[in-house]
Amino acid sequence: DAGITQSPRHKVTETGTPVTLRCHQTENHRYMYWYRQDPGHGLRLIHYSYGVKDTDKGEVSDGYSVSRSKTEDFLLTLESATSSQTSVYFCAISERQGAEGRAFFGQGTRLTVV
Amino acid sequence: DAKTTQPTSMDCAEGRAANLPCNHSTISGNEYVYWYRQIHSQGPQYIIHGLKNNETNEMASLIITEDRKSSTLILPHATLRDTAVYYCIVRVRGNDMRFGAGTRLTVKP
Repeated sequence: DAGITQSPRHKVTETGTPVTLRCHQTENHRYMYWYRQDPGHGLRLIHYSYGVKDTDKGEVSDGYSVSRSKTEDFLLTLESATSSQTSVYFCAISERQGAEGRAFFGQGTRLTVV
Repeated sequence: DAKTTQPTSMDCAEGRAANLPCNHSTISGNEYVYWYRQIHSQGPQYIIHGLKNNETNEMASLIITEDRKSSTLILPHATLRDTAVYYCIVRVRGNDMRFGAGTRLTVKP
């Protein structure tokens, strides 16, 4: 299995508080992704990174920011958490860009905003 | 961007082959077809991918039609542990990867 660690695995937080989720990889892969998964919506891309300090928005990026200061870490921040951001968050990594790059996923972080 | 269409759900008897179809009629020439699966609430797992030719690995086989407008994932001897949601994805625009609703495969004893 690819070396991907998401932390924390579970978190309960209050509305309006900032939250940061961490994705750490030991594979030295260039590409990293954050997804959220909700019932009835499947997996939706939030943000992705194609290198250190290089990030781009996905389809559901509102309310989220990301940072990647090192190859191995990709942080997802909810500046002011809302109940609609209660979800399971998955990080993924990929070695190559474009069509050849198969992705590997972490085990997910279950976030509850109360 | 190429879209995919998959049946919502399928059943398969344990020990039999599971054939999961995917339609991607708008696929472009340089787009690959990927298959992933998600077992219960775990992170998705890569299965296989291909461009034009049929592919086989230790998990599955991928059959792509000659016109590339559809493909079939084959699990040759399905087990109860293959019960999962299976996603067919056409890789779009380089870096992002969009998932659809997938097919929920239930393997029955």
